[in-house]
Amino acid sequence: GQQVMQIPQYQHVQEGEDFTTYCNSSTTLSNIQWYKQRPGGHPVFLIQLVKSGEVKKQKRLTFQFGEAKKNSSLHITATQTTDVGTYFCAGRGSGGSNYKLTFGKGTLLTVNP
Amino acid sequence: EAQVTQNPRYLITVTGKKLTVTCSQNMNHEYMSWYRQDPGLGLRQIYYSMNVEVTDKGDVPEGYKVSRKEKRNFPLILESPSPNQTSLYFCASGWGGSYEQYFGPGTRLTVT
Repeated sequence: GQQVMQIPQYQHVQEGEDFTTYCNSSTTLSNIQWYKQRPGGHPVFLIQLVKSGEVKKQKRLTFQFGEAKKNSSLHITATQTTDVGTYFCAGRGSGGSNYKLTFGKGTLLTVNP
Repeated sequence: EAQVTQNPRYLITVTGKKLTVTCSQNMNHEYMSWYRQDPGLGLRQIYYSMNVEVTDKGDVPEGYKVSRKEKRNFPLILESPSPNQTSLYFCASGWGGSYEQYFGPGTRLTVT
């Protein structure tokens, strides 16, 4: 079945440093979503990417979807303590009516002030 | 306020005692889903539903049942819970299978 690998599992940075998490799928995706989960909280939707090679920005966050629609990345510029949490990618398979969503295991980001 | 609610939020039970975790959304979403979250394993989809009376298995459906008799409700049923079902459970809903999902606050289940 579809697998979504996410690296790194953990990342600790000093406030102000940049951060990137990567997602790779074993199969071509129809779209990919990114979520953030604060400690003790529930996942909150950040963004969805649909087109091959798509790049979207949200303030200090930059999201990319690979040309082959099998990989994606989230980059945070100049991290802040409010960025702390686990970032998940979630991919949906292409073809047919595939509504199953497969999550990566997440990257836990901690920020030292 | 648009929200997904789950009850109970915390539950400790014993092996074999049937339980139901309720999930309700007030956004008229067609798509609803259940996930379990375990340390080191991330979020894994248990079941999902595209609409009333339409459900399908996710990646880890064994030991769980669901029903979707009304659009707003999607209960998760554990007929005979076992310790390996100890986990944090999230319900989520969305406009459709390809749209963002709104997650509930989670239910922490412990089976002894």
